[in-house]
Amino acid sequence: DGGITQSPKYLFRKEGQNVTLSCEQNLNHDAMYWYRQDPGQGLRLIYYSQIVNDFQKGDIAEGYSVSREKKESFPLTVTSAQKNPTAFYLCASDPGRGVLTFGAGSRLTVL
Amino acid sequence: SQQGEEDPQALSIQEGENATMNCSYKTSINNLQWYRQNSGRGLVHLILIRSNEREKHSGRLRVTLDTSKKSSSLLITASRAADTASYFCATDPNTGTASKLTFGTGTRLQVTL
Repeated sequence: DGGITQSPKYLFRKEGQNVTLSCEQNLNHDAMYWYRQDPGQGLRLIYYSQIVNDFQKGDIAEGYSVSREKKESFPLTVTSAQKNPTAFYLCASDPGRGVLTFGAGSRLTVL
Repeated sequence: SQQGEEDPQALSIQEGENATMNCSYKTSINNLQWYRQNSGRGLVHLILIRSNEREKHSGRLRVTLDTSKKSSSLLITASRAADTASYFCATDPNTGTASKLTFGTGTRLQVTL
C-alpha cells in the first residue's frame, strides 16, 4: 500500500540534544512537507521540498534542518536551537495537485 | 499567520444529526480544502473546492464556498460516531501548490450514540 511512514511515533529528548524524525514515502510524489502542530492550533509549515536536493524554509524554520537526498525520504532534525520543540510533527507529500497526503505523525516531548 | 478560522471551535451532536462547521478567511484564494484529523493521527484530505465553484458534494459531505463573504461551510449529514474528529479548512492563496496552504485552528466534532 502506498503511503507515508513517520518514525518514531513517540520521541523524548533531553534539552540540548538534536533529534531526527524520519519521513519516508512510496507514493512517488515530488513535493514533501514538514508541519508542526501545537494544541488548539492549526498546522504551521517548517520546511518543504519540491524536488530532490532542494528545500525551502517555511514559516517557522528556525531551530530545524532538513535534507532531501532521495525522492522517498525527507528527514527533519530538531536542533538544540529550537527553544520549544515539544509538539506533534507531521510529514506530508503532494503529487503536484496541491493536495496533501499525511503521515501518522511523530510526537516529540522534551524532558 | 492563520488564514482560515473555523467556527465553532467545538461541536457536540448525536448520531444521525447533521453537523455544520464554518471557515472564514482573509485574502483571495485559488481553492479551499477540508481535512479531517482523528485524535493523535495525521490529517486526511476530504474535499477541495475551487474559487469558481459554489458547492461540491462527496458522499455525506457537502461543501459550500462564498468568495464574496470569504467563507466556506462543511456539512456532514447523518453523522456517525466514526465522524468524531477535528476538521480543518486550508486555503491556497493562488498557487495551486501545497507550499502556501494555510490551515485554520480546526473544529472538534464529537458525535455521541
